[in-house]
Amino acid sequence: GEDVEQSLFLSVREGDSSVINCTYTDSSSTYLYWYKQEPGAGLQLLTYIFSNMDMKQDQRLTVLLNKKDKHLSLRIADTQTGDSAIYFCAGVGRDDKIIFGKGTRLHILP
Amino acid sequence: GAVVSQHPSRVICKSGTSVKIECRSLDFQATTMFWYRQFPKQSLMLMATSNEGSKATYEQGVEKDKFLINHASLTLSTLTVTSAHPEDSSFYICSARARTVDGYTFGSGTRLTVV
Repeated sequence: GEDVEQSLFLSVREGDSSVINCTYTDSSSTYLYWYKQEPGAGLQLLTYIFSNMDMKQDQRLTVLLNKKDKHLSLRIADTQTGDSAIYFCAGVGRDDKIIFGKGTRLHILP
Repeated sequence: GAVVSQHPSRVICKSGTSVKIECRSLDFQATTMFWYRQFPKQSLMLMATSNEGSKATYEQGVEKDKFLINHASLTLSTLTVTSAHPEDSSFYICSARARTVDGYTFGSGTRLTVV
């Protein structure tokens, strides 16, 4: 089945760019997603990318998709303290279920 | 956009009692809802998929008699943790499938603490 891997921690200085990486195994997912989870809260859809796209930009967020390498990344420009959260990469498996990575905890340094 | 309302947000119960968690789709019909469990500092683990009007499909290792799921209408699914024990303490999140491109909408989660 689908497997989604991502690094567990990332520390970035305020104002710098954050890049969160993700790899996946099943290339059948039509969309790939990035979700944000703040402490004690549910998941908030940040952005998504259609599988036939290479890049999508949405204000401070840039998603890059390399289908050949099955690699997805999320870049957050000008990282702010409010960006501190856990970021989940997700795809949809063949049985229509969302498969999440383990989440990357983004820590912002002053 | 699509909104899913989940209640309660926090619940503390005594060991041996049952707890019901509700998940409602507010402005769309959700034929399919998903229930997840999240342990501290871990990812979401899919527990079951509930389809309106039929029995839920449970993932391997999830006790269907302990985690009762009811999806009686297109806008409401409930998860009942029966005879809860401290090891059931966790964060439970529901998700509903909406017919939009960003189709999976999540509830805000329920923090269950069993004492």
